[in-house]
Amino acid sequence: DQQVKQNSPSLSVQEGRISILNCDYTNSMFDYFLWYKKYPAEGPTFLISISSIKDKNEDGRFTVFLNKSAKHLSLHIVPSQPGDSAVYFCAASDPSNTGKLIFGQGTTLQVKP
Amino acid sequence: DAGITQSPRHKVTETGTPVTLRCHQTENHRYMYWYRQDPGHGLRLIHYSYGVKDTDKGEVSDGYSVSRSKTEDFLLTLESATSSQTSVYFCAISEQQGIGNTIYFGEGSWLTVV
Repeated sequence: DQQVKQNSPSLSVQEGRISILNCDYTNSMFDYFLWYKKYPAEGPTFLISISSIKDKNEDGRFTVFLNKSAKHLSLHIVPSQPGDSAVYFCAASDPSNTGKLIFGQGTTLQVKP
Repeated sequence: DAGITQSPRHKVTETGTPVTLRCHQTENHRYMYWYRQDPGHGLRLIHYSYGVKDTDKGEVSDGYSVSRSKTEDFLLTLESATSSQTSVYFCAISEQQGIGNTIYFGEGSWLTVV
């Protein structure tokens, strides 16, 4: 039972345009969410996070939006750059307070020059 | 970069042999994790540790065991490797739990079981 889902395996956008990556979750107890970025042959790196008391968090070109009623979050990258091409993972912090993260399947973003 | 070192980085082994992957951290973080990454599955938790000698199972723990005898080291053992355990294995660490918790990952260990 996949509690965190990224239903789009891949996304291709033109440089300079907006990239929108989506994530859905099923457990209403999740209260903290993170996005990670992963380049080939490297480990995932933390990108941005949001807690359930907010509906938006922004860090430079990256903004994460949270819609708790829809159990949906999205990552917006504006403007997209070729260096943003990577796999993006959405994750939720396990509410059992073990520090565990539950990840989605990942979305591969390709930004074309 | 988080001070996490995984070894070996690449290994090819035969079915039925035991394999141990090592994770070493220099951050003195309490929590350590082993994840595996497979196409279509994202990152799945194998085992985690919340202190020295304190470990627990994740969602895909069958066929794996772990040990943590020191804060800085977390070992993952495949007791008898199978082809289904061919994967990329990531160690991760975190300082705290709950809201605000960020997990930092190592660079990965590529394991092929033939």
